[in-house]
Amino acid sequence: GQNIDQPTEMTATEGAIVQINCTYQTSGFNGLFWYQQHAGEAPTFLSYNVLDGLEEKGRFSSFLSRSKGYSYLLLKELQMKDSASYLCAVRTDSWGKFQFGAGTQVVVTP
Amino acid sequence: DAGVTQSPTHLIKTRGQQVTLRCSPKSGHDTVSWYQQALGQGPQFIFQYYEEEERQRGNFPDRFSGHQFPNYSSELNVNALLLGDSALYLCASSLQGANTGELFFGEGSRLTVL
Repeated sequence: GQNIDQPTEMTATEGAIVQINCTYQTSGFNGLFWYQQHAGEAPTFLSYNVLDGLEEKGRFSSFLSRSKGYSYLLLKELQMKDSASYLCAVRTDSWGKFQFGAGTQVVVTP
Repeated sequence: DAGVTQSPTHLIKTRGQQVTLRCSPKSGHDTVSWYQQALGQGPQFIFQYYEEEERQRGNFPDRFSGHQFPNYSSELNVNALLLGDSALYLCASSLQGANTGELFFGEGSRLTVL
């Protein structure tokens, strides 16, 4: 079957690091995306991996292993504003059909 | 540069009614996709429009239909509403052939079916 699995919730302290894991099994693969979604708001694009390895973008980094069907999003120097849901998504074809995981709710505490 | 805009933002309907949701894509984008997001879930792909045609469709019944206009804006229509259709409906735009091709989302239309 087709699945994108990620933890439901993670809690971390302000200033700390959190790693959100995502495993996927999809009918096609044309890139792995991470989105951030604050409550009641639209998802916003964070990162994109299409080749294996690490992509760094400021406080956020994302890693991909295509052979393992695995990705993670690393959030460093956590801030209160990082409290949000983080969605792992696979673009399954070149047309741009995306399959999303259920999201990981990150709670940042003082 | 206007992003993706959707209307209405909130609406309440009763079972059996019909609803039309509207979307204007980000400037320069030519592809519009619609997603349904239930509470606590990730967005689920409904369908995608490009060059005024439905290019792909997810696992949604024929009660869900759409349209894309020459200016790339789009509508989502849902007929014979069910309680289970209550959700946030997200419109996302993109540009075919773009380097990363990420989706840009609107704020969504929150539909409540009573």
